[in-house]
Amino acid sequence: GDSVTQTEGLVTLTKGLPVMLNCTYQTTYSPFLFWYVQHLNEAPKLLLKSSTDNKRTEHQGFYATLHKSSSSFHLQKSSVQLSDSALYFCALSLSSGSWQLIFGSGTQLTVMP
Amino acid sequence: GPKVLQIPSHQIIDMGQMVTLNCDPVSNHLYFYWYKQILGQQMEFLVNFYNGKVMEKSKLFKDQFSVERPDGSYFTLKIQPTALEDSAVYFCASSLWTGGSERLFFGHGTKLSVL
Repeated sequence: GDSVTQTEGLVTLTKGLPVMLNCTYQTTYSPFLFWYVQHLNEAPKLLLKSSTDNKRTEHQGFYATLHKSSSSFHLQKSSVQLSDSALYFCALSLSSGSWQLIFGSGTQLTVMP
Repeated sequence: GPKVLQIPSHQIIDMGQMVTLNCDPVSNHLYFYWYKQILGQQMEFLVNFYNGKVMEKSKLFKDQFSVERPDGSYFTLKIQPTALEDSAVYFCASSLWTGGSERLFFGHGTKLSVL
């Protein structure tokens, strides 16, 4: 069935370092991929999305490229800040006519001073 | 930006009782959703609601669950009767349109504890 895998549950980094949060998916349909971010005591909100193969999408310093050949949509940032500490969810939407988002288990990013 | 409000933020209830979770979606949105997140696990789709009707529901949306939005007021999720396995955080979301690329706006979630 359709699924999303985020391999890292917890990532801890020092401020200023680069980060990559992994996201792979499985589906037989044409995918839309999303990254949602949830800061402490806040609602999850959209960070970025894509359905275009091999095209980089960027927002607020974060970027990701959908690679259909490897079924991946990894989230990256070249230099993390303290304010980036949050829970990051990768999610998949399908072109199958279904209404639902399929979420990964989330990655908690903690940025240390 | 647009906000989805969920009331209450935390609800504690005895097993077998009824509970209603309330959601005030973004004002001009037309599509409404409930997601369930058990502690330590991913968010899972429960149901989608549009134009007064359930459009899609998952296997998690048990017979004890119901949703409605009477007269454009709160979008509610009712569980009657509750079971221990209903303990989770329930997220409401809304969107203006639907379709694969549509952005969902989420609330903060209601943490439901069934004792």
